[in-house]
Amino acid sequence: EDQVTQSPEALRLQEGESSSLNCSYTVSGLRGLFWYRQDPGKGPEFLFTLYSAGEEKEKERLKATLTKKESFLHITAPKPEDSATYLCAVLGPDDKIIFGKGTRLHILP
Amino acid sequence: NAGVTQTPKFQVLKTGQSMTLQCAQDMNHNSMYWYRQDPGMGLRLIYYSASEGTTDKGEVPNGYNVSRLNKREFSLRLESAAPSQTSVYFCASSPRETREQYFGPGTRLTVT
Repeated sequence: EDQVTQSPEALRLQEGESSSLNCSYTVSGLRGLFWYRQDPGKGPEFLFTLYSAGEEKEKERLKATLTKKESFLHITAPKPEDSATYLCAVLGPDDKIIFGKGTRLHILP
Repeated sequence: NAGVTQTPKFQVLKTGQSMTLQCAQDMNHNSMYWYRQDPGMGLRLIYYSASEGTTDKGEVPNGYNVSRLNKREFSLRLESAAPSQTSVYFCASSPRETREQYFGPGTRLTVT
C-alpha cells in the first residue's frame, strides 16, 4: 500500500535554530512530490513541487530536496512567522494524490 | 482573483439533515477536489473531478455525493448527515498538467 510518512509529528525550535522536516514515501513511479504550509484555521498553501531525485527548490528560508525515497524541507534561521503545519503529498502513477499527516512546527521567539 | 471560495464557512446540522457545500474557482483549473481533515488523520480525499463532466471516488466517499456543475464549480452533498461527518471540509483545484493544488478556506461542519 502506498504511504506517506512525515516526521517528526511536532517540532519546537528557537528562533534562528535551523532544522529539517522529513517526508518518506513508498510510492513507486513518483510523478511529483508537493509541500504545503497550513496555518491554524486556514486551508493549505502550496509551497513547492519536486519531480525527480536530486531536484531542489528554495523560497525565502525554506529549501526542499528530493531523493528516491524521501524529501526534506530544510528551514534556515527560522522566524516565529514560520510556525505552521507543513504537509507533504505525493502523486503516484495511478493519478492519486496521498497526503502525509503533517509536521507541526513552532518557532519560539 | 479570489482563488478558491467555499460556502458556508461554518454549519451545524442535526443527524439526518441534508446540505450542500459549495466550491468555486476562478483560475481556469481543470481538476477539482473535496477533502475532509480530522485531527490525527490528515487530509483524506472524498471525491475528485479530473475535468468538467467527470467525477471519481476518493478514499472516503461513503455518505457523500458530488456534482461538477461546470468548469468553475464543484459541490459536495451530504444526503443524511451523521455525527461521523463532523469535520473540516476543504475544496481544492489544480491545473491538470502540474497538479499542485490550491485550497479554499474550508467549511467547519458539526453534526449533532
